[in-house]
Amino acid sequence: TQLLEQSPQFLSIQEGENLTVYCNSSSVFSSLQWYRQEPGEGPVLLVTVVTGGEVKKLKRLTFQFGDARKDSSLHITAAQPGDTGLYLCAGGKNNNDMRFGAGTRLTVKP
Amino acid sequence: KAGVTQTPRYLIKTRGQQVTLSCSPISGHRSVSWYQQTPGQGLQFLFEYFSETQRNKGNFPGRFSGRQFSNSRSEMNVSTLELGDSALYLCASWSLAGANEQFFGPGTRLTVL
Repeated sequence: TQLLEQSPQFLSIQEGENLTVYCNSSSVFSSLQWYRQEPGEGPVLLVTVVTGGEVKKLKRLTFQFGDARKDSSLHITAAQPGDTGLYLCAGGKNNNDMRFGAGTRLTVKP
Repeated sequence: KAGVTQTPRYLIKTRGQQVTLSCSPISGHRSVSWYQQTPGQGLQFLFEYFSETQRNKGNFPGRFSGRQFSNSRSEMNVSTLELGDSALYLCASWSLAGANEQFFGPGTRLTVL
C-alpha cells in the first residue's frame, strides 16, 4: 500500500485541454514536492509546498497543498505535448524520510 | 552549479555478477539518497547517507549496500545480481537547509540478463 495515493494513474488528453491530478494521504506532511519525470531521466523538481492551503503557480501549472497538509493537487491549464511525462508527488516528514507516490502518467496528444 | 551526476548511465550484467554505481551530489549537499525505480513498483527507497553514515534504510535485501565518502560522493553495490534487479537506479542529493527538496541525477539503467 502506497503511503501517497496518486490519481489518476494514467491520463491521455488532447492539446489545449485542462487537467487536474491528485495526491492523497492519511498522513500529515511537513512539506510536499511535485516532480516531472521523462523516460530514461531522473525526476525534475517542479515545486515545494509547505503551508496548509498554500497555492503556487508555475506558468500554466497550479499547485495546491491541502489545509490539513495531507493532500495536494496539480492543475494544468491548456496542456501542451511538452507536458507529457510522469508526475510524482513526494511527502516529507523530516529531512531523511521522503515517500513517493506511484505517479500519474500524462500523455498530451497534439 | 553542476547537478547530480551518476555513472555509468547504462549497464548490462548477467545473473550472479555484482555491480557498483556511483553518484556525485550537488556541491555543498551532504545527504545522498538512493532509489530503485521499476514500472511495477515505482520509486522504492533504498538508503540515505549523511556525512558518511547511513541514516535510513528501505526494505531491500542485504545484497544491496552503499557507502559515502568524505567528499559526499556515494556508491551503491548490488551483489549476486538477479533478473529482478533490472531497474533505473536514481540518486538524489539534498541540503539540510532545504524543505526536503531532493535533486535527482539522470539515473543508471541496469539490465540483468
